[in-house]
Amino acid sequence: RKEVEQDPGPFNVPEGATVAFNCTYSNSASQSFFWYRQDCRKEPKLLMSVYSSGNEDGRFTAQLNRASQYISLLIRDSKLSDSATYLCVVESSSNTGKLIFGQGTTLQVKP
Amino acid sequence: DTEVTQTPKHLVMGMTNKKSLKCEQHMGHRAMYWYKQKAKKPPELMFVYSYEKLSINESVPSRFSPECPNSSLLNLHLHALQPEDSALYLCASSQEMNQPQHFGDGTRLSIL
Repeated sequence: RKEVEQDPGPFNVPEGATVAFNCTYSNSASQSFFWYRQDCRKEPKLLMSVYSSGNEDGRFTAQLNRASQYISLLIRDSKLSDSATYLCVVESSSNTGKLIFGQGTTLQVKP
Repeated sequence: DTEVTQTPKHLVMGMTNKKSLKCEQHMGHRAMYWYKQKAKKPPELMFVYSYEKLSINESVPSRFSPECPNSSLLNLHLHALQPEDSALYLCASSQEMNQPQHFGDGTRLSIL
């Protein structure tokens, strides 16, 4: 089993749609969780950290379910500029700095 | 614009060459990282430095040699690389090791 698993997609959605990405992780000792966004041939950019209480940043909402070892990202009112690869990222164990990246989920928002 | 600066942006080198990749950040971050990313794959961790000391080496071949001269700089020295080492090399930094990491825009390396 991979340490971090994501549905690779691609997800093709129309502008204005709501889209949800899911991710599971295998190490129950993991403490830090993130979503990154990566555009083609660019560096990963931090989208948001993920907390058990859930967190929201504008159109983006992230949730963490520790019991199920499951992380989600919800994007509301999709924009063309949201088209990118979304990487689910988990710190492998506490305070090591070692991040494990999922394979990424590709989103294509169409007019 | 990224606050982690990597140079050069592109590098083409032969298998017998020696070159260095450079990374700089002025955010006062105490942890710095090197990653390797192949096309259509996620980044893979190579090295972690914390407070200028090597914390993690992910079994990287010795032809890659990291160096942290001070808290703002991280180098990756390259020698006798192989064609399969062609990739995007990303540097990242974070306030501390368990904090979100911020990436530079990478050096695209091609080995002839």
